[in-house]
Amino acid sequence: NAGVTQTPKFRILKIGQSMTLQCTQDMNHNYMYWYRQDPGMGLKLIYYSVGAGITDKGEVPNGYNVSRSTTEDFPLRLELAAPSQTSVYFCASSYFREPTGELFFGEGSRLTVL
Amino acid sequence: SQELEQSPQSLIVQEGKNLTINCTSSKTLYGLYWYKQKYGEGLIFLMMLQKGGEEKSHEKITAKLDEKKQQSSLHITASQPSHAGIYLCGADMVTGGGNKLTFGTGTQLKVEL
Repeated sequence: NAGVTQTPKFRILKIGQSMTLQCTQDMNHNYMYWYRQDPGMGLKLIYYSVGAGITDKGEVPNGYNVSRSTTEDFPLRLELAAPSQTSVYFCASSYFREPTGELFFGEGSRLTVL
Repeated sequence: SQELEQSPQSLIVQEGKNLTINCTSSKTLYGLYWYKQKYGEGLIFLMMLQKGGEEKSHEKITAKLDEKKQQSSLHITASQPSHAGIYLCGADMVTGGGNKLTFGTGTQLKVEL
């Protein structure tokens, strides 16, 4: 069972470059999320999606874009990378039937912007 | 400021010792969720608490939610090296559902042999 798969696991970007973090899940979950984790700051929600074609901003959306064209995929796009975007990014998914709080996380993508 | 405060930030215990991690909110929570993270990995769901006064256990880990639903504790009995990692509490601070979570800052636990 693959679960939630993120790529790449590590990436170094120069200031101003752009990139896309890929996320795919094979559990037919309708909810998908992108979080960033900074040292000592917990996880912050960037964007989330409740289904294909529907996305919404989370707590820290500035500098990021997302799309959800299929149930399986939820890529996160960084435009004009800045050092403040150096972080570990986690994609997660869940199946909304009733509130369970059980999100399934990928292993994370560590991004450094120099 | 953090909506969910965790304490302590870090903890080092000897194998076999008990420990407690706390998670506090200034708002009444619809539900409180505990996760564990190992270094370099994603988060693993541990438990969900929804009712005031609720207590759940899984193996040697017990979580409680207070009657006011503003504070939760995670207690580990007879700690083992496998318990080491970062423990995070999460809550849906907006809709009351369990699918858009705000997380605390985490508690890093190290277990010494």
